Amino acid sequence: NAGVTQTPKFQVLKTGQSMTLQCAQDMNHNSMYWYRQDPGMGLRLIYYSASEGTTDKGEVPNGYNVSRLNKREFSLRLESAAPSQTSVYFCASKANQPQHFGDGTRLSIL
Amino acid sequence: TQLLEQSPQFLSIQEGENLTVYCNSSSVFSSLQWYRQEPGEGPVLLVTVVTGGEVKKLKRLTFQFGDARKDSSLHITAAQPGDTGLYLCAGPRNEKLTFGTGTRLTIIP
Repeated sequence: NAGVTQTPKFQVLKTGQSMTLQCAQDMNHNSMYWYRQDPGMGLRLIYYSASEGTTDKGEVPNGYNVSRLNKREFSLRLESAAPSQTSVYFCASKANQPQHFGDGTRLSIL
Repeated sequence: TQLLEQSPQFLSIQEGENLTVYCNSSSVFSSLQWYRQEPGEGPVLLVTVVTGGEVKKLKRLTFQFGDARKDSSLHITAAQPGDTGLYLCAGPRNEKLTFGTGTRLTIIP
């Protein structure tokens, strides 16, 4: 059972480089989410998409962009990576409740 | 300001002991969810509490939702090494979930 699949699992970037994190779900869920998780701060919402064709800012959107490519896929882009964006990034999806999470992308910006 | 505060932030106890962790807010939530997260994985839902005063049991785990729906607790009886992980509470706000800061629990064999 695939559920929510995130790629890559690990990535190291240099400051100023760009990168896209991929997320795909096979549960036919309408809503998809991107979070970042930092020590002592829990999960913070970056962007979300309540349905195909719509996206909205979450708590910490600065420095990120998203694309809801179709119902299955929701990508997160860092145009010019900064060390403050070093984090573990989680994608999630849901129909009603609860949210189903991927296993995360561990991103380091040097 | 964190909408959901969890305490303690870290807890390390011996196998077989009992423990309680807390999730507190100044805001009312329609429901609260508890997730457990293991290293290298995403959070996985344990339970959702919906009604004020509700108590739900999941084997050795007992979850309680406060009467005013502003707080919740998780009690573990006779903790096992398999209970080790990060415990997160979360409350829905429209289409979004607000997460607490988490309690990192370590059970020592």
